This record gives sequence, structure tokens and C-alpha cells, in this order.
Amino acid sequence: KAGVTQTPRYLIKTRGQQVTLSCSPISGHRSVSWYQQTPGQGLQFLFEYFSETQRNKGNFPGRFSGRQFSNSRSEMNVSTLELGDSALYLCASSPGTSGRGETQYFGPGTRLTVL
Amino acid sequence: GENVEQHPSTLSVQEGDSAVIKCTYSDSASNYFPWYKQELGKRPQLIIDIRSNVGEKKDQRIAVTLNKTAKHFSLHITETQPEDSAVYFCAAVTQGGSEKLVFGKGTKLTVNP
Repeated sequence: KAGVTQTPRYLIKTRGQQVTLSCSPISGHRSVSWYQQTPGQGLQFLFEYFSETQRNKGNFPGRFSGRQFSNSRSEMNVSTLELGDSALYLCASSPGTSGRGETQYFGPGTRLTVL
Repeated sequence: GENVEQHPSTLSVQEGDSAVIKCTYSDSASNYFPWYKQELGKRPQLIIDIRSNVGEKKDQRIAVTLNKTAKHFSLHITETQPEDSAVYFCAAVTQGGSEKLVFGKGTKLTVNP
């Protein structure tokens, strides 16, 4: 099976702009989670989507949002970008059906730089 | 909410030595504990995981132990090799129908030849 893919791989934006990142999960996986990775804060959970519904949400401001489509592909959006949003954004997919912890497979990430 | 502490933040060993990384978690309802390895510029990859009904799991040179009473779990790498050099993350998942991973801050392991 093809692995998790993310587009774009690199992105440069300026403060105040908005950005949309895309994630395609492994075929058959219905859960997609998003994480922000920074040197200072490590890997932090943004949100999880399962069957087009947000199932869990981390402690990020409302500028961070996401959605999932019927084919399980997911997008996340960050509006009114701030310098501190510069990070590697990783998505991970899993079957999502057990509800008791499943192996999550990560994509290569999108490196966002905000100038 | 769940909190995961990981120690040490950096670890340097000689090739052939063992390496141990320790994590503690706060939520007693956590039931799944994966370990990820992230090489520079690459995605995190699962190397081993353990569930709350198991005390120890081993896969070749890698082993994980879990102490539910003390709420801590550890990664053991024996006979380390230079290619083991990477950042290792522990994580916990709390039972409740979500796949949210709460990560430790990571341990940068350097294996010196």
C-alpha cells in the first residue's frame, strides 16, 4: 500500500496570510490526525478526524481548523498566520476503528515557514 | 489532560553499549504506548509499542517495559549501532475512542563508532 502523503512539502508565507495543507491517508484508513512539530514544543496534537467528523481537538487557537472528506483525505487550514506558526506539520493515519490505540503512520510533513 | 515526561533529553553511548530512555505518564486510563524513531529530516516511524495488559515486549535489539502502577515505561536498545542515532519519542494514548497521541519531548540518541 502507498504510504501517507502530504502536500505541499514546503511552504513559505507571510504574516497575516492563510494556508491550507493536505494529507492523503493510507488506503482504507479512516482516521487522520494532525500534529505540529517545533524544536521547542516537540510534537503537539492538533486534531483528529474520523469519518468526516472531528473526534478530538488539541489546545490550539481557533485559527487552526481542519476537515475530512468522504475519501478520508484531510486538510488543515491556518488563518492569519503568525511567526510562531512556523513548524513542521505532520499528519498520521490509522484504521480508526478500534478506539483503543492503533499504530499511526506518519506522512513526510509540510514544512511551513512564516516570514 | 494527559502529560508525558521523557528523560533524558540527550543520550550519547558508544557503539555496542545499551541505551535506556524512560517516560512517565499522568493519565491512569492510558492504554497504549508507542515509541517512534525520527531520523533527521524524516518522518517519525514506529519502532515498538506496548499495551497496558502487557508488562514487556521485545523485538530483536529493542525492548519496552511498562509499569502501570508507577505509570512509567522504558525503551531499551541493546548492542547499539551508529544507525540507531536519531530522536526517539515516547507517546501515550488514552482510552476513549480517539487516536490522540500525547508525546514526550524526545531523546536525541547519538551512538559513537
